[in-house]
Amino acid sequence: NAGVTQTPKFQVLKTGQSMTLQCAQDMNHEYMSWYRQDPGMGLRLIHYSVGAGITDQGEVPNGYNVSRSTTEDFPLRLLSAAPSQTSVYFCASSNLRLAGGPNTGELFFGEGSRLTVL
Amino acid sequence: DAKTTQPPSMDCAEGRAANLPCNHSTISGNEYVYWYRQIHSQGPQYIIHGLKNNETNEMASLIITEDRKSSTLILPHATLRDTAVYYCIVRDRTSGSRLTFGEGTQLTVNP
Repeated sequence: NAGVTQTPKFQVLKTGQSMTLQCAQDMNHEYMSWYRQDPGMGLRLIHYSVGAGITDQGEVPNGYNVSRSTTEDFPLRLLSAAPSQTSVYFCASSNLRLAGGPNTGELFFGEGSRLTVL
Repeated sequence: DAKTTQPPSMDCAEGRAANLPCNHSTISGNEYVYWYRQIHSQGPQYIIHGLKNNETNEMASLIITEDRKSSTLILPHATLRDTAVYYCIVRDRTSGSRLTFGEGTQLTVNP
């Protein structure tokens, strides 16, 4: 049961460098999203996607790009890393339809990617 | 999605019931109450959800008041492994999985 897989788990970047955080899910979920979590705070939504070819901005999208070319993958790109992007990043996926029957509508989260920008 | 209010921290003795409150006074009729927890920087984990009836599963029970303005998550026999941050979230059918996380309640289970 792979669930939601994020890579890398740890990354150190210099200011101005670019990189991509990978996220893959094997549950055929329509919905995928990226959150960031800063120390002592809750999760904040960066970008999300309701299906292949469809993406939209969340609460804190600036400095990040996403694409959704397949149902399984939802990479997050940092175009020019800044120290303010030092954070733990979580990818999540879900069935879109809420509740009812066996579908709880729950979000399944990856284990997180810890990014440090110097 | 409606805003929720939770106490920042709570303590509980091991083996006792942990009752975590959540206020969601602006909840609308089509919004569900969800609970997640996050153990030491791991990805959040789904616990339970409900609309207006009380719910129980193998992890916890959820009690929602009749006016739906507040709810309580109950861990019937807390263990040390239940030490975590617990998030109460309300969401409707149209929000998909765009959950809005507050700061949650840090539950510490003491031996």
